[in-house]
Amino acid sequence: GAVVSQHPSWVICKSGTSVKIECRSLDFQATTMFWYRQFPKQSLMLMATSNEGSKATYEQGVEKDKFLINHASLTLSTLTVTSAHPEDSSFYICSASQYGYTFGSGTRLTVV
Amino acid sequence: DAKTTQPNSMESNEEEPVHLPCNHSTISGTDYIHWYRQLPSQGPEYVIHGLTSNVNNRMASLAIAEDRKSSTLILHRATLRDAAVYYCIPGYAGGTSYGKLTFGQGTILTVHP
Repeated sequence: GAVVSQHPSWVICKSGTSVKIECRSLDFQATTMFWYRQFPKQSLMLMATSNEGSKATYEQGVEKDKFLINHASLTLSTLTVTSAHPEDSSFYICSASQYGYTFGSGTRLTVV
Repeated sequence: DAKTTQPNSMESNEEEPVHLPCNHSTISGTDYIHWYRQLPSQGPEYVIHGLTSNVNNRMASLAIAEDRKSSTLILHRATLRDAAVYYCIPGYAGGTSYGKLTFGQGTILTVHP
């Protein structure tokens, strides 16, 4: 079946630094990828939709300059959290779609 | 986006069937009904999806109301590994064009040994 690999699975960074999270579709080409954020005991919140080769579409309230998304190939999308602060600490999950939606295993980001 | 209503939580005993309901009265005619589940600290896992007819796969069955305003996910024999948050999500699924999935609060399923 379709597999989406997300890396790293967890990361701790200092406040003010940037963190990059990778999302790869291993055995299929993903024309569209989605990035979600999930706070403890809450549901997934869609942050943005990215299509290969074009700019990402951000959901209302998501700062595009803070959460940089690049979808340079059909198998790779990256989310960079710039100038991270403690309130950015969350569980970030990507999803890739071609014939269905496949989710990555998530990245636990802790900003200290 | 179509809104969904699911019970906050449900409980079941192992080996018993579980029926997880979902109301999606504002679903559009082209939206499929997707069901995903999520274990703690993991990404959502696909369970099943359907448009109009009832659907079966190795994990579960999906019963869709004739008016498509509600659906029920059926786990035929619950196991401890089925304990998760279950999300019912209306969303388009046409060919290779998939729109965004908007998650609601889901149902926390607890399975007792």
